[in-house]
Amino acid sequence: GESVGLHLPTLSVQEGDNSIINCAYSNSASDYFIWYKQESGKGPQFIIDIRSNMDKRQGQRVTVLLNKTVKHLSLQIAATQPGDSAVYFCAENRAGGYQKVTFGTGTKLQVIP
Amino acid sequence: EAGVAQSPRYKIIEKRQSVAFWCNPISGHATLYWYQQILGQGPKLLIQFQNNGVVDDSQLPKDRFSAERLKGVDSTLKIQPAKLEDSAVYLCASSSRLAGNTIYFGEGSWLTVV
Repeated sequence: GESVGLHLPTLSVQEGDNSIINCAYSNSASDYFIWYKQESGKGPQFIIDIRSNMDKRQGQRVTVLLNKTVKHLSLQIAATQPGDSAVYFCAENRAGGYQKVTFGTGTKLQVIP
Repeated sequence: EAGVAQSPRYKIIEKRQSVAFWCNPISGHATLYWYQQILGQGPKLLIQFQNNGVVDDSQLPKDRFSAERLKGVDSTLKIQPAKLEDSAVYLCASSSRLAGNTIYFGEGSWLTVV
């Protein structure tokens, strides 16, 4: 069935190192993909998104890569900081009359000081 | 700009009781969503409104859950009667086509059913 899933449930990274969080999706008709960050006790916060006609998009310290051939999405965080500790969700938006965003399970990023 | 407001933040009820959650979306956002997030899982869409009309309620347990957005602004989500498995965070979110369709979430309403 259609799904958005993540390869690793928990990722531990040393402060200052780069983090890479991966996500697999199965619906090739998805219009665009979004990464959200959710800190403990808070709602998900938009980080960055990427359209299906792009393969890379950069933000401040974050880069999202999209590989449509293997239906894979990744979020790269440069120089990871303690404030980056959170659960990260990828989500896909399947267009078609109205947008419908489906979330994956999430990856917990732990930054080691 | 004010974000998505939700209340109450926390609620503890006994099974078979009822509960209602309120949401005020970002001003001007036509689309409003209610998500259910069980601990350790990603948010699951319960219902999506476009103005005051429902565009998707396929995953809403309609025997016990109901939601409305009568004037196309605020929304309420009701659970009656509650079950133990309804313990979760209920997230309200909103988006606007004019703002790029980015979905903005509230802090959530934490429900514990005992």
